[in-house]
Amino acid sequence: KNQVEQSPQSLIILEGKNCTLQCNYTVSPFSNLRWYKQDTGRGPVSLTIMTFSENTKSNGRYTATLDADTKQSSLHITASQLSDSASYICVVSPPRAGNMLTFGGGTRLMVKP
Amino acid sequence: EPEVTQTPSHQVTQMGQEVILRCVPISNHLYFYWYRQILGQKVEFLVSFYNNEISEKSEIFDDQFSVERPDGSNFTLKIRSTKLEDSAMYFCASSAGTSGTEQFFGPGTRLTVL
Repeated sequence: KNQVEQSPQSLIILEGKNCTLQCNYTVSPFSNLRWYKQDTGRGPVSLTIMTFSENTKSNGRYTATLDADTKQSSLHITASQLSDSASYICVVSPPRAGNMLTFGGGTRLMVKP
Repeated sequence: EPEVTQTPSHQVTQMGQEVILRCVPISNHLYFYWYRQILGQKVEFLVSFYNNEISEKSEIFDDQFSVERPDGSNFTLKIRSTKLEDSAMYFCASSAGTSGTEQFFGPGTRLTVL
């Protein structure tokens, strides 16, 4: 069964600090790996989409990296803001699964002033 | 900026009743999806829909579930006979293309089955 595991489950940081969230997956190969931001009670919002051949993808203060050899991805958030408080979800699209996405459990990030 | 909309935002129903959740995808998108998220758990894929037919569905999407695009703008999810375990947040999403294309999610409908 496809698995996407994320760590840590939750994280508290001070405003202005950087942080890195981890994602380990067992799906190999895969079509693409995505990172989503989900505010409480809202739908996920796409941050980055990477194919298996890409190593890094940035979107403003968010930078995702991918290591296909170790089957790991990370999301680095630079100069955190209070509005970054949300769940960050790693999502993998298995090959030949079309648009069927497999979601990780997410990391709950809280940014404190 | 175009967005996916969903109605109602919250639906309360009695066990065994039928519910219909409604979504209006982004107007030029061709692929439509339903996901669910039980409180405190992962988002789970239910079904994808393209060209007026189901293209993929998960094990969760059993005979109690159905989807329909009744007109050019709405996309609906019907649960025929709700169970307590159907209580969850249901998200609709749409995309312009297939694999590798960004999926845009709606704000969700919270379904509570009593």
